Amino acid sequence: NAGVTQTPKFRVLKTGQSMTLLCAQDMNHEYMYWYRQDPGMGLRLIHYSVGEGTTAKGEVPDGYNVSRLKKQNFLLGLESAAPSQTSVYFCASRPGTSGYNEQFFGPGTRLTVL
Amino acid sequence: ELKVEQNPLFLSMQEGKNYTIYCNYSTTSDRLYWYRQDPGKSLESLFVLLSNGAVKQEGRLMASLDTKARLSTLHITAAVHDLSATYFCAVEDQGGSEKLVFGKGTKLTVNP
Repeated sequence: NAGVTQTPKFRVLKTGQSMTLLCAQDMNHEYMYWYRQDPGMGLRLIHYSVGEGTTAKGEVPDGYNVSRLKKQNFLLGLESAAPSQTSVYFCASRPGTSGYNEQFFGPGTRLTVL
Repeated sequence: ELKVEQNPLFLSMQEGKNYTIYCNYSTTSDRLYWYRQDPGKSLESLFVLLSNGAVKQEGRLMASLDTKARLSTLHITAAVHDLSATYFCAVEDQGGSEKLVFGKGTKLTVNP
């Protein structure tokens, strides 16, 4: 099991460029999440998905779009990158809603927007 | 809206000393998680607390949850340098998405 993987690990963009971050999990988890982490801010939820084909907004969704066409993949898109989107992005997944269902985190993607 | 407050945000302590990190949250939840993060790394799960009165211990760390007070504590006993890291508490928003709301983290430095 690879767990939760993220591609790429690092990326530098110029303002206005677009890109897609890929999150993949091989644990057959229903729920997937995208967070951003900024210094002194903890992790903040961008978007999440409670199943294949579903997405919903989190705390800081502006400037991002997501898609969950396959259960194992959750894509985060930046259509027109801005310096304020410089951050570390973490993806997470969890099995479902009952019992001992913690979130498992990917290794992160460090994004710099110049 | 669920809000999570952690304190202190920075903690410098000597090896061998004891200390407690506090995590308060604003609305009802009975699921709380503690994570550790080393610089440049992802989050590592430490404890999952699923009910009022839950207590979990692993080595020099012990976590507890009081859902009535909306408070969790992470107690460090006889700190060692290897415990230096940032510790996050996260509370589950039980409104259907089960998303986590994180505290801002406590950066712990253990000095020899």
